This record gives sequence, C-alpha cells and structure tokens, in this order.
Amino acid sequence: AQTVTQSQPEMSVQEAETVTLSCTYDTSESDYYLFWYKQPPSRQMILVIRQEAYKQQNATENRFSVNFQKAAKSFSLKISDSQLGDAAMYFCAGGNEKLTFGTGTRLTIIP
Amino acid sequence: ETGVTQSPTHLIKTRGQQVTLRCSSQSGHNTVSWYQQALGQGPQFIFQYYREEENGRGNFPPRFSGLQFPNYSSELNVNALELDDSALYLCASSSEWNTEAFFGQGTRLTVV
Repeated sequence: AQTVTQSQPEMSVQEAETVTLSCTYDTSESDYYLFWYKQPPSRQMILVIRQEAYKQQNATENRFSVNFQKAAKSFSLKISDSQLGDAAMYFCAGGNEKLTFGTGTRLTIIP
Repeated sequence: ETGVTQSPTHLIKTRGQQVTLRCSSQSGHNTVSWYQQALGQGPQFIFQYYREEENGRGNFPPRFSGLQFPNYSSELNVNALELDDSALYLCASSSEWNTEAFFGQGTRLTVV
C-alpha cells in the first residue's frame, strides 16, 4: 500500500469488552496483503493478523478479527474479550513484502 | 528455529559519525528488510535485500546503505549521521514462500 491511515491515536477499552481499531489505505497494486501488528514496550513488532487482498473472507485469529472492505479500502481490527496483555501500540500495514505502516493507535486496557 | 536478532540494542553516536547495525535473519529466510521508526511514528521502509541483492528502496538518501551476506544476515550502514537519524531501526526477515515478516527487537540509535 502506498498510504496507510490510522485516525485514532489512542483508544481505551474496559477489560473483557470489545474494541475496534480503524485503518484505511490506498494502493495502486492489484496483489497485496494487509496486516495488523502489535508493538508492546519491548519494541518488537508482533504480527496479530494478516489478510490477503484477493480473499473476500475476513481473517480471524482467536479473539482478533478484521473487517476488510476492499472497495472502501478499509481494514479495521476487532479485539474481543480484551485482556490486559493486549495493551500496546497497534500498527496497520499494507504492501507486498515492502510494508507501508500507519502512525499507530495506542490501546489502553482499563481493569 | 531461531528468531530475528539485532545488535546492538542501543547505541549513541555523534553527528557526522558513521554507524553499522546488524541483523541475523530467521532460519530459512532469504529476505531482509530494514525500517526506521522515529519516536511516535510508524516504521518507514528503508530498503530490502533478497539473496544478497538490493530489492527495493524507500525514500532515504544514499548515505543509508546495506549489505546482505551469503548466510542472509544483513547490515545497515549510515554515514554522516544527522540528529534526525535518531530512531529505532527495525529489521524484518521473510522468505519468498511466505510474505509474513518477522521482526527483531530493534536497535535504538541516538545521535547527539
């Protein structure tokens, strides 16, 4: 993706509740992937979930799922049953090997 | 299977100096990408190496250069350091069979 936009600098959610992080992108590529990465204070980027753009079915990984709207170029992340360990910076990214990242959303979990 | 490791974890350099950062890719991965993450920003793509050849470059000046070795480990070199080069430098490795990139823990570079 050539541009990735995350419009929510910060979000907070009560423990055990559900939260949705937003992401929009723009690309001229026909074949690309979209990703959500988590970056805790340890700094290491951890892959949360991946979506192939040619697949219509939304990806799901346990408590994490995406809402991929290709026509709208939207790729939001839903975290269900939020846990304290989910607190981190979340980055949306797109591309095909060479990734373009958004500016991130800081997620706080309220006990 | 070992993960991606970067060294050093932190370093401080003076403006005008040169620095070399190192990355060992995950076992079985032949592609290494480097990213610069300024404070409060998302990572920005610097360049990628595939089988020892540069395979794409982001919007960074030529004083950012790299190498990939036969064992697929990689170096990022930055010459004539500027204050704005202060950032977290992330290395990610992947294979041609799987686009999932695995990141190292990064090197925090401070230029004073």
